[in-house]
Amino acid sequence: DTGVSQNPRHKITKRGQNVTFRCDPISEHNRLYWYRQTLGQGPEFLTYFQNEAQLEKSRLLSDRFSAERPKGSFSTLEIQRTEQGDSAMYLCASSLGGQGTETQYFGPGTRLLVL
Amino acid sequence: AQSVTQLDSQVPVFEEAPVELRCNYSSSVSVYLFWYVQYPNQGLQLLLKYLSGSTLVESINGFEAEFNKSQTSFHLRKPSVHISDTAEYFCAVSGGTSYGKLTFGQGTILTVHP
Repeated sequence: DTGVSQNPRHKITKRGQNVTFRCDPISEHNRLYWYRQTLGQGPEFLTYFQNEAQLEKSRLLSDRFSAERPKGSFSTLEIQRTEQGDSAMYLCASSLGGQGTETQYFGPGTRLLVL
Repeated sequence: AQSVTQLDSQVPVFEEAPVELRCNYSSSVSVYLFWYVQYPNQGLQLLLKYLSGSTLVESINGFEAEFNKSQTSFHLRKPSVHISDTAEYFCAVSGGTSYGKLTFGQGTILTVHP
C-alpha cells in the first residue's frame, strides 16, 4: 500500500498564472476527493469523483477551478488565473465505496502560495 | 446543510493527564461521525468513527468518543495522554444527500507538555 500521493508538494506562483496539481489515489479506490485547507481552518470540500465521473462540486469551486479524473485513476486539479486568495493547502483523499461510512485516506497535500 | 463546531482551538495538557476535545455538529439528517488526526508534518489519518450501534467508539491508541444524539455531540477523550499525542485533531461528519463528502470542524491543537 503506497498510500495517496500528491505532486508537487509545494508550489509558488505569481498572481494570474495557471497551476495544476496531481493526485494519485490508492489503486483500487473508486472515490477521489479534493479539499482545500487554509491556515487555522479544517479542510473544506471542493469536489469528488466516483471512478471517472465528477459527482459533486462545492460552490467554493469557482469557474477558474477544474478537476478531472480521466481514466478513473489519477486526478488533476487546475486553477486558472490564480489569485492571492487561492493560497492554501490542497488535499486529495481516496476511498473504496460510496455510502459515507468508508474511511478516506488523505495525501500529504500540495501547498500553494500565490504572490 | 451540515456543520461542525470544535469548541477549543488549542488544548494544552501535561503528560498523563486526561483530556477531552469537544465537538458539536448540526445536521437535519442522520450522520456518520469521524475524528481525524494530523501529526506534525504528516497527512490526515482516521482516528475513529461512529457509524451506528454502540455510541462509544474506541481507537487503538486509547482514545474514545461518545456519540450523543440529544446533545449533537461527539467529544473525544483520553484518560492519560502521552507526548506523542501532540497533534491537531479534526472532527468531521458525513451523511444526508452527499454520502462520503466530509464536513470538518476547525480543528483543535492538542499540545502535551512533559
